Amino acid sequence: DGGITQSPKYLFRKEGQNVTLSCEQNLNHDAMYWYRQDPGQGLRLIYYSQIVNDFQKGDIAEGYSVSREKKESFPLTVTSAQKNPTAFYLCASSGDRRSYYEQYFGPGTRLTVT
Amino acid sequence: QQQVKQSPQSLIVQKGGISIINCAYENTAFDYFPWYQQFPGKGPALLIAIRPDVSEKKEGRFTISFNKSAKQFSLHIMDSQPGDSATYFCAAKSGARNQFYFGTGTSLTVIP
Repeated sequence: DGGITQSPKYLFRKEGQNVTLSCEQNLNHDAMYWYRQDPGQGLRLIYYSQIVNDFQKGDIAEGYSVSREKKESFPLTVTSAQKNPTAFYLCASSGDRRSYYEQYFGPGTRLTVT
Repeated sequence: QQQVKQSPQSLIVQKGGISIINCAYENTAFDYFPWYQQFPGKGPALLIAIRPDVSEKKEGRFTISFNKSAKQFSLHIMDSQPGDSATYFCAAKSGARNQFYFGTGTSLTVIP
């Protein structure tokens, strides 16, 4: 069953704590992405990775960090430096030219920081 | 600066009617234009997509119309159903980098 999994679905943290969101894909995609979605808002790019051991900052990378040690995994850490971390976080992956770069999303993780 | 501009922000359509959502872009380097459907609390699902060498693509009740010279593309949902009520996002992919730019979304409500 191919797809993207994100865990956990809901996450609650106290202010000042770092938290790591998991993202795994078995689609054999090279590129992976993290987006943030706030109520009534579009998707804003946090980080993306084209290949293993390489990643680039998106529009709102401040207060976040990522790693890409394996093709299948792209975890996102929300650090205490992120001023407003409560949001819905979406992980995605996309294929190559053969699959017309189709991008697929995971089910999302809703993070609440109090 | 919003790379992809989407309108309207919200749309109410009667069951059986046609829903039309529009998007515009400026960057001529975009080479792939997908539409996504998102239900509350779920991740966006790829609905239909088009490349700039095609002017129209149809899949079931969903059609993308693409106007390369005007740098505009639109989603048409024919025979709209209450189950189509969701938020729709257009997007565009950069040709040089495998990066996607999203519109701000349209909340569609189909009234029975």
